[in-house]
Amino acid sequence: DIVMTQSPDSLAVSLGERATINCKSSQSVLYGSSKKNNLAWFQQKPGQPPKLLIYWASTRESGVPDRFSGSGSGTDFTLTISSLQAEDVAVYYCQQYASTPITFGGGTKVEIK
Amino acid sequence: QLQLQESGPGLLKPSETLSLTCTVSGGSISSSSYYWGWIRQPPGKGLEWIGSVNSGGTTFYKPSLRGRITVSADTSKNQFFLKLTSVTAADTAVYYCARSFGSLYAFWGQGTLVTVSS
Repeated sequence: DIVMTQSPDSLAVSLGERATINCKSSQSVLYGSSKKNNLAWFQQKPGQPPKLLIYWASTRESGVPDRFSGSGSGTDFTLTISSLQAEDVAVYYCQQYASTPITFGGGTKVEIK
Repeated sequence: QLQLQESGPGLLKPSETLSLTCTVSGGSISSSSYYWGWIRQPPGKGLEWIGSVNSGGTTFYKPSLRGRITVSADTSKNQFFLKLTSVTAADTAVYYCARSFGSLYAFWGQGTLVTVSS
């Protein structure tokens, strides 16, 4: 299984400031002839299902604000919220879909400082 | 608009069988482009993918659950199912059904809490 490790477990950021979440996979999530990174980021608010934010490591899902961005390749990835808003308080998960079993990181809780 | 809705018993005793149904509306599970999966989340913990099925009946399972888990689909009812036998307290979780394209889960149901307790 590919193990996904997120850091930090939690972070508190002031409104309008940048939040950065890291995700490391135990092996490369590059897959297929197109060599795309099979890495997604989800946002989960209390009592709600996860919401897809980013796929292919850096492609924003339709409707996701552009303050959310993803970067990285191979085994190291980052989700950045460029200017934290109150509605961004949530737990964020990375997920690899390069191979079965699909696996998720342990989550990063983002709060307002 | 695609919607997925989980249903099934919310309380089970240890050793019983968990059976959940996901009813899909706004789209057909007969499409060969998608897999239909189950992901669970123990209270206060992270997400765990447990299995998926496509319209042709091809399945994938989390290895640690193999032998206890069955995921199946009924295209005539536009539903797919989860069966997990011999449940224990460790199977207590919110169970989500979701649709994937190439293992990317973009559409999720609201989830249903299943508690295993004597």
